[in-house]
Amino acid sequence: DGGITQSPKYLFRKEGQNVTLSCEQNLNHDAMYWYRQDPGQGLRLIYYSQIVNDFQKGDIAEGYSVSREKKESFPLTVTSAQKNPTAFYLCASTTQGSFSGNTIYFGEGSWLTVV
Amino acid sequence: EDQVTQSPEALRLQEGESSSLNCSYTVSGLRGLFWYRQDPGKGPEFLFTLYSAGEEKEKERLKATLTKKESFLHITAPKPEDSATYLCAVIATGGGNKLTFGTGTQLKVEL
Repeated sequence: DGGITQSPKYLFRKEGQNVTLSCEQNLNHDAMYWYRQDPGQGLRLIYYSQIVNDFQKGDIAEGYSVSREKKESFPLTVTSAQKNPTAFYLCASTTQGSFSGNTIYFGEGSWLTVV
Repeated sequence: EDQVTQSPEALRLQEGESSSLNCSYTVSGLRGLFWYRQDPGKGPEFLFTLYSAGEEKEKERLKATLTKKESFLHITAPKPEDSATYLCAVIATGGGNKLTFGTGTQLKVEL
């Protein structure tokens, strides 16, 4: 099936640990995104990448890191520097170029809880 | 700074009771406005994209409209399965492909 696959669905992190969330898409999309969702705050952009080997910080990049070595993959690492990492994380993707008709698709999300 | 404000925060309707959700936006220039539906614990599901004032799009019981300052999502004769959180987002000119989201309207449709 075509789409965006996020894993794991649920993840627990101990204080001081780094964890990595996986995002894979087989839609041949150029651009990929990571959003964080907290209750009452909507989705906030962490990082985005428009081409392989290039990415930009979003609005809340501190404490996170990403890589884009392959077109289909955009993993997110939540580092120990992120002080409040408990949240729902969403990966998204879209095609590049003219925006007319483009749709940004989302994965099913990953829940990260600090224990 | 691009801003998106959705109202109301929560809405409770009886089955068949039509209503509208509002999305007000402030951007330097609008490239596109998006509506998504999100069920609890799931990723947002794409509904509509609107590009210019006066544009309208429909899908089943949903109709989205756009003006220069806001968008409305009209729900006609809703059913319980329409219960979800509805998210509005914008992409501004010069903003790359970054979506800026509102906080959503949580809709509950009761029998």
